[in-house]
Amino acid sequence: AQSVTQLDSQVPVFEEAPVELRCNYSSSVSVYLFWYVQYPNQGLQLLLKYLSGSTLVKGINGFEAEFNKSQTSFHLRKPSVHISDTAEYFCAVWTLDTDKLIFGTGTRLQVFP
Amino acid sequence: DTGVSQDPRHKITKRGQNVTFRCDPISEHNRLYWYRQTLGQGPEFLTYFQNEAQLEKSRLLSDRFSAERPKGSFSTLEIQRTEQGDSAMYLCASSTPDGRGQGIRNEQFFGPGTRLTVL
Repeated sequence: AQSVTQLDSQVPVFEEAPVELRCNYSSSVSVYLFWYVQYPNQGLQLLLKYLSGSTLVKGINGFEAEFNKSQTSFHLRKPSVHISDTAEYFCAVWTLDTDKLIFGTGTRLQVFP
Repeated sequence: DTGVSQDPRHKITKRGQNVTFRCDPISEHNRLYWYRQTLGQGPEFLTYFQNEAQLEKSRLLSDRFSAERPKGSFSTLEIQRTEQGDSAMYLCASSTPDGRGQGIRNEQFFGPGTRLTVL
């Protein structure tokens, strides 16, 4: 069975500092990987996805993530965060045999001025 | 088209009552998904439709839950005899399948959710 682990439930950071949100997955088959963002009282919005090809994926709002197959990780990074990046971030995995998204428990990014 | 919409946005009900939520997907999307999100957790898959056909249901979907998509457009999720454990955010998403008939290469667009509180 597939699973997704987001080790950090909360990440506090000051504005303009870099940030990394960690995501590890477990799967015996090939995976597609996703990061979604959820602002308060809103649905989820896709930040970026890895399907194949280059392991470094760039997304919206200046975020990027790197797929590392040997470490089964897909960490999300941003070199300089803004107050507006304060939100909940979810990592998700999809596999061919399930044909659905499995989400992690989320990481709350709190950006302070 | 303004995206996926859900109604109501909030619902407060007493234990034992029935509730029904509605989801209107993006018009050209033939796949529709329902998820449940409890506090401090990520969304959990409940069920999904391709057109009017319900293709899969999670074990989370007990007999008290039923979902329909009668004309392949909007969908409803009904919970009968609600329990306090049903309190959660119920999210709907829609997408189009890719060339292989799989749902994932094309983005799932999420609605704002319906927050259910069972007293």
